[in-house]
Amino acid sequence: GQQLNQSPQSMFIQEGEDVSMNCTSSSIFNTWLWYKQDPGEGPVLLIALYKAGELTSNGRLTAQFGITRKDSFLNISASIPSDVGIYFCAGRPAAGNKLTFGGGTRVLVKP
Amino acid sequence: NAGVTQTPKFQVLKTGQSMTLQCAQDMNHNSMYWYRQDPGMGLRLIYYSASEGTTDKGEVPNGYNVSRLNKREFSLRLESAAPSQTSVYFCASSDGTGNSYEQYFGPGTRLTVT
Repeated sequence: GQQLNQSPQSMFIQEGEDVSMNCTSSSIFNTWLWYKQDPGEGPVLLIALYKAGELTSNGRLTAQFGITRKDSFLNISASIPSDVGIYFCAGRPAAGNKLTFGGGTRVLVKP
Repeated sequence: NAGVTQTPKFQVLKTGQSMTLQCAQDMNHNSMYWYRQDPGMGLRLIYYSASEGTTDKGEVPNGYNVSRLNKREFSLRLESAAPSQTSVYFCASSDGTGNSYEQYFGPGTRLTVT
């Protein structure tokens, strides 16, 4: 089946830094979604992308729908401690409602 | 609006016991989903219901059954629990029409099978 490779698997942030993560697929997707999950809670939708090349922001978060439709990127600018958590990408193919999720990027604070 | 609600929040079962996880949404969404999340992993789809009256298998359906009771409610049943079903279970819903494929998740049910 379809697989989404999300990288990096984990990263350390220092307050004020910009961070980036990405998601790649072997298949084309028509929709890309980015979620954040805090410990003990369900994933929360951050950004939804529906068109190839689309660049969408939500506060300090910016996500892009890759031109090839096989990848997506999420940037966090000027990170703050509450950005810690697990970020998941999800893609939807042309037909159907099902999403395929990446394995997640765990964002941690630098000690 | 409460969004997506799930009960119970925590459950411990012994091998062979059965139980039903409940999910309800108040967003008038057409589609509902059940996922499981294992430690350090992403979400894997167990079953979904594209619309009221229909259900379909996802990636990991073995050992589970579902019922779309009405438009609001979608339950997941474990007939004979196994330790391999220890996981966190999330229910989600989406409008599923036009461009509205965004899924919204409940808070999860943490299940341990001993």
